[in-house]
Amino acid sequence: GESVGLHLPTLSVQEGDNSIINCAYSNSASDYFIWYKQESGKGPQFIIDIRSNMDKRQGQRVTVLLNKTVKHLSLQIAATQPGDSAVYFCAERATSGTYKYIFGTGTRLKVLA
Amino acid sequence: NAGVTQTPKFRILKIGQSMTLQCAQDMNHNYMYWYRQDPGMGLKLIYYSVGAGITDKGEVPNGYNVSRSTTEDFPLRLELAAPSQTSVYFCASSDLMYNTEAFFGQGTRLTVV
Repeated sequence: GESVGLHLPTLSVQEGDNSIINCAYSNSASDYFIWYKQESGKGPQFIIDIRSNMDKRQGQRVTVLLNKTVKHLSLQIAATQPGDSAVYFCAERATSGTYKYIFGTGTRLKVLA
Repeated sequence: NAGVTQTPKFRILKIGQSMTLQCAQDMNHNYMYWYRQDPGMGLKLIYYSVGAGITDKGEVPNGYNVSRSTTEDFPLRLELAAPSQTSVYFCASSDLMYNTEAFFGQGTRLTVV
């Protein structure tokens, strides 16, 4: 079945360093991959997405990389700040007319001062 | 423009009781979703809807029911609450025709005792 998972449950990063959060997916038919940020007590918030026909997309301080050969997705955060501390989820948007979002387990990012 | 509004924010239910979690969006989105998030875990899709009058099961639909009589509202019904349904419930909506971003509500924290 469809599944999205993450390699690391917790990532601790020094403030100012770059963060890399990884994700593995299994459904090669998904057309979009999305990263969400969830702060404590809040709902997930959209960060960035990437279409399946791309391998890289950049936003403000964030870059998403997609490697379809090994079904791997990563989120890079440049110059990590304390406000980046949160749980990050990758999600895939299933195709075939259902348009479901399937989420991975999540990675907790801790930014150390 | 309030986005996605969920009520109530917190609820304690006794085993066997029933309740309805309310979700409303004012963005005229066709797609709406219900997810549950267990402690330290990712989001699991319960039910989703691609438009008024159309609903479908997600990954974990057992014990829940939904309806979608209007574009704005997507209530989630628990008929016979069980301790396994203790979780945080998130409602989301999106307009997948134009973008992949799903907007989430603040969540409903449900405890079944």
